[in-house]
Amino acid sequence: DTGVSQDPRHKITKRGQNVTFRCDPISEHNRLYWYRQTLGQGPEFLTYFQNEAQLEKSRLLSDRFSAERPKGSFSTLEIQRTEQGDSAMYLCASSLEGSSVVQYFGPGTRLTVT
Amino acid sequence: GENVEQHPSTLSVQEGDSAVIKCTYSDSASNYFPWYKQELGKRPQLIIDIRSNVGEKKDQRIAVTLNKTAKHFSLHITETQPEDSAVYFCAASIGSNDYKLSFGAGTTVTVRA
Repeated sequence: DTGVSQDPRHKITKRGQNVTFRCDPISEHNRLYWYRQTLGQGPEFLTYFQNEAQLEKSRLLSDRFSAERPKGSFSTLEIQRTEQGDSAMYLCASSLEGSSVVQYFGPGTRLTVT
Repeated sequence: GENVEQHPSTLSVQEGDSAVIKCTYSDSASNYFPWYKQELGKRPQLIIDIRSNVGEKKDQRIAVTLNKTAKHFSLHITETQPEDSAVYFCAASIGSNDYKLSFGAGTTVTVRA
C-alpha cells in the first residue's frame, strides 16, 4: 500500500498520560498535515509541514500538543497530559506542492482518553 | 477564519435519483474547493475538486458547481447507487492558501435500494 499510513490505528489511554502518533506520508509528498475529527464533524486543521518545517499551527493546538517532521518524511504528533476532550480521530494527510494540491488522507488514529 | 456551512446534514434518496449537497463559505479569498467521501471507519477520499477560476466540473455521475459571487458551491450526484451511501464533506481553502482547508460538518447520504 503506497498511501498515507498511520500508527497506531487505535489508542486507549488514561487521562494524564502522554501519547505519540506516527504518520508516514506518500513518499514523494513534501507537504504533511494533521487534522482532528470528532464524531459528526469534519476534520479540523491542526498543523502543516512543508518538508521538515512546521509552517503553521492552529489555535486548536494547545501547548500540550507538539508535532515534528525531523527529516521531512514521517511525522509524529505528541499529546502530553491527555484530557478526555482530546478523544478524537487524528488524521494525517499529505500532498505534493505544485499544480495538484490534493490532500490524501491516512486511515487515522482513534484516541480514547478514559 | 474560514467558516464553511454544509446542508443538509442528512439526505436519504431512492436509488437512481439525484442527490445535491450545498455549502457556503465566508472568505472571498478562498480559491480551492474539494469534496471528500468518507465511508464508515475509513479515511476521507477526494471525489472531486474545483478551483475558483472554473464554474463547473464533472466526473461521470458527479459534478460540482461554484458561485463565487454568492460564495456557495454544490455537489451533485446523479443516478445514485447504494455504494454512494457515505458521509460527504465539502471544504474550502482558507484564504488563497491552498494547503489549509476548512471543512463542513458533513452530510450523511443514504441511498435506498
